[in-house]
Amino acid sequence: DIEMTQSPDSLAVSLGERATINCRSNHSVLFSPNNKNYLAWYQQKPGQPPKLLIYWASTREFGVPDRFSGSGSGTDFTLTISSLQAEDVAVYYCQQYYSTLRTFGQGTKVEIK
Amino acid sequence: QVTLRESGPALVKPTQTLTLTCTFSGFSLTTRGMCVSWIRQPPGKTLEWLALIDWDGDESYSTSLKTRLTISKDTSKNQVVLTMTNMDPVDTATYYCARIREGAFFDYWGQGALVTVSS
Repeated sequence: DIEMTQSPDSLAVSLGERATINCRSNHSVLFSPNNKNYLAWYQQKPGQPPKLLIYWASTREFGVPDRFSGSGSGTDFTLTISSLQAEDVAVYYCQQYYSTLRTFGQGTKVEIK
Repeated sequence: QVTLRESGPALVKPTQTLTLTCTFSGFSLTTRGMCVSWIRQPPGKTLEWLALIDWDGDESYSTSLKTRLTISKDTSKNQVVLTMTNMDPVDTATYYCARIREGAFFDYWGQGALVTVSS
């Protein structure tokens, strides 16, 4: 199975400041024939199911604010919240779909400083 | 409008078999590229992918749990069923079903069903 590791486990950021979450896989999730990275990011608030934010590593899902962006390729990826808002307090997960056997990172908890 | 809803027992005893049903609307599981998957999340822990079934009826299972899991679909009822045998207290979790778009990522999720395993 492809292992996904996120860092940090948690971070506290001031309102309006940038939050950066990293995700690393132990196997490349870049599919060369179509040059797509098979990686998604999700946001989960307490008591709610995860919500899709980003897919193909950098494509924002419809309705997701543009302060959320994804980058990276191969094995190293980043989710950036450019200006943290109070409603962004949540746990964020990366997930690979390169393999049929999907796997998630352990999650990164984002809080307000 | 796409919706998914999980249903099943809230409490099961150790060694029993769990059966969960995902009832969905707003899409058809006969459409090429569509899949439905099950994911679980123990309290306070990360997400664990369990199984998926695609539009063609092909099934995939978690490596660590495949001997205990069976996924099936009833396209006439718009339902996907997951069975997990030999339940243990460590299987206590919220179980989610989710739609997979383009055969790739989870774009819609159910609200989840909390299953507690206890005698």
